[in-house]
Amino acid sequence: DTGVSQDPRHKITKRGQNVTFRCDPISEHNRLYWYRQTLGQGPEFLTYFQNEAQLEKSRLLSDRFSAERPKGSFSTLEIQRTEQGDSAMYLCASSYGPDTQYFGPGTRLTVL
Amino acid sequence: GNSVTQMEGPVTLSEEAFLTINCTYTATGYPSLFWYVQYPGEGLQLLLKATKADDKGSNKGFEATYRKETTSFHLEKGSVQVSDSAVYFCALSDSNTGNQFYFGTGTSLTVIP
Repeated sequence: DTGVSQDPRHKITKRGQNVTFRCDPISEHNRLYWYRQTLGQGPEFLTYFQNEAQLEKSRLLSDRFSAERPKGSFSTLEIQRTEQGDSAMYLCASSYGPDTQYFGPGTRLTVL
Repeated sequence: GNSVTQMEGPVTLSEEAFLTINCTYTATGYPSLFWYVQYPGEGLQLLLKATKADDKGSNKGFEATYRKETTSFHLEKGSVQVSDSAVYFCALSDSNTGNQFYFGTGTSLTVIP
């Protein structure tokens, strides 16, 4: 069990640029979740997949955000035309069914 | 809707002191309750969980009991160590809403020798 991995761990970008993050879940887990965490706050739900199907999206997920999980394994989260308000830690979690979610180390995004 | 309210921090304790971090929740269904811990520079790690009323979750000397009558899941430890210094998050998972987690704002704990 290698745990949930995320890449990159840190990303610094200029406002207006596009960024893409990757999450590799625990191999036997069929559910994958994305969260956003800002300083001093708890993680906030963005979206989740069951296998390759995206089943729920938060209102926090604006049109500039898109997530995919093409083969039901790894997932990508893309942010287009980044804004300074997008600066946050982006967390990925996975689970097998409706059970405990296991979190990755996160990708810290800084938008200059 | 679903929400979690957590005791505000930061909390500073001396080593071997008793710890309580309060957590109360609001849920539409029958949630599972969790405590996660986040050490500096790391991701969230599951500390303990309880899936139904009156269940007690425990791990590494930490305990929390699922109290439906008071909608609470307070975290306790009898004797804290310096290595327990971290941010603690209470969370709930509600099967009515796709099992997304709802987190509290976190409580920062510092244990001094």
